[in-house]
Formats: sequence, structure tokens, C-alpha cells
Amino acid sequence: NAGVTQTPKFQVLKTGQSMTLQCAQDMNHNSMYWYRQDPGMGLRLIYYSASEGTTDKGEVPNGYNVSRLNKREFSLRLESAAPSQTSVYFCASSASGVFVETQYFGPGTRLLVL
Amino acid sequence: GNSVTQMEGPVTLSEEAFLTINCTYTATGYPSLFWYVQYPGEGLQLLLKATKADDKGSNKGFEATYRKETTSFHLEKGSVQVSDSAVYFCALILNQAGTALIFGKGTTLSVSS
Repeated sequence: NAGVTQTPKFQVLKTGQSMTLQCAQDMNHNSMYWYRQDPGMGLRLIYYSASEGTTDKGEVPNGYNVSRLNKREFSLRLESAAPSQTSVYFCASSASGVFVETQYFGPGTRLLVL
Repeated sequence: GNSVTQMEGPVTLSEEAFLTINCTYTATGYPSLFWYVQYPGEGLQLLLKATKADDKGSNKGFEATYRKETTSFHLEKGSVQVSDSAVYFCALILNQAGTALIFGKGTTLSVSS
């Protein structure tokens, strides 16, 4: 099993460009999450999807949109990239959105916005 | 609000030294507590967890005890190895449906031989 996969691994954008970060999991998990990791800030939740067909905002949703395409896939879209969105983005999944469920993380996407 | 506070790093140790990374939390409800580890260039991996007061989580020689009276979940290891060099994140999740992990800022550990 691949677990949680993310594409691309690295991307450079110019301010105002758009892009979609892809995430897929093969563990039949119900819940999926997008985080961003910035130096000295830890991980902050952008959006999450407790189950297929639902999405909810996390701590820092501004400037992002998400799509839960099916149970396996959860994409994150930047419509008009800004330098403040330079970060490392992690996708995660868990069996359900209920407490104590372990979250499994992908390897991350490094995004640089110039 | 809900938050996690970790000791700031970097923590630099020699191989076989004793490790403690402090973690305290504030929570409006009754949380479960986690330690995640991030090795260079990789995503986060669950290291250990504890779901109720006085529980001890352990894995790979690391331990942490859920202390409700001091709202703490300090990570310890008796003898660190070079391969333990990584960033360690303390996190909590409230025992309510629809909530997500709240992370501390992370502590970088560097172990030299």
C-alpha cells in the first residue's frame, strides 16, 4: 500500500497563478485533511473533509478551495497564488473524523510563490 | 481556546544522552494527546499517543505520560541515537466528532555521535 500520496512534490508559481495540489489515499479512510507547515508555526489546518461529500474550513482557509472528488482523493486549489502561500503542504487521512483516530500523512508538497 | 505549547529548540544532544521535550496543553474539553515525528524530507508519522489521564504512550524507546493535573505530555527517551534526529510535534485532539488535530510548533532534535 502506498498510504497517502501527494503530487507534485515541488512547485514554483508566480504571483497570481493558479494550481491544484493532489492527494490520494488507498487506506479506505473516510476523513482527509490539508495542512500547511511554516517555520516556527507548526502545522495549521486549512480544510478538512470528515467524509465523502463534505468539506469544512479549518484554521487558515482564506485563499484556498478544496474538492473531495471521491473517497480516495482530496484536492487543494490555489486560485490566485500569493507569496504568503509559500509553504509546505501536507495531506493527511484518518479512518474517521472521530477523536483518537490516527492521522496518516503524505510526504508533502513544497510550494514557492514568487 | 485550545492550544499546545512545546519547548523551543533546537535541542542538541550527544548519542546515548537522556532526552526530554516538554509539552503542555490548554483544552476546553477532554483531549487525546499525541507525539508525531518528522524525519528530514518526510511527512509526519505518529510516534505515540495517550487517550486518557495517566495513560503512558510508548514506541521505539520513547515514552510520554498524560498528566491531567499539570496538563502536560512530556516526551522522554533514555538513550538517544543519531537516527532520532528529527522534528517532534506534540498535538491534541478534542474528544468530539468533527474536530481535528491541534499541533505545537515543533521541536528540532539534533543528535551527534
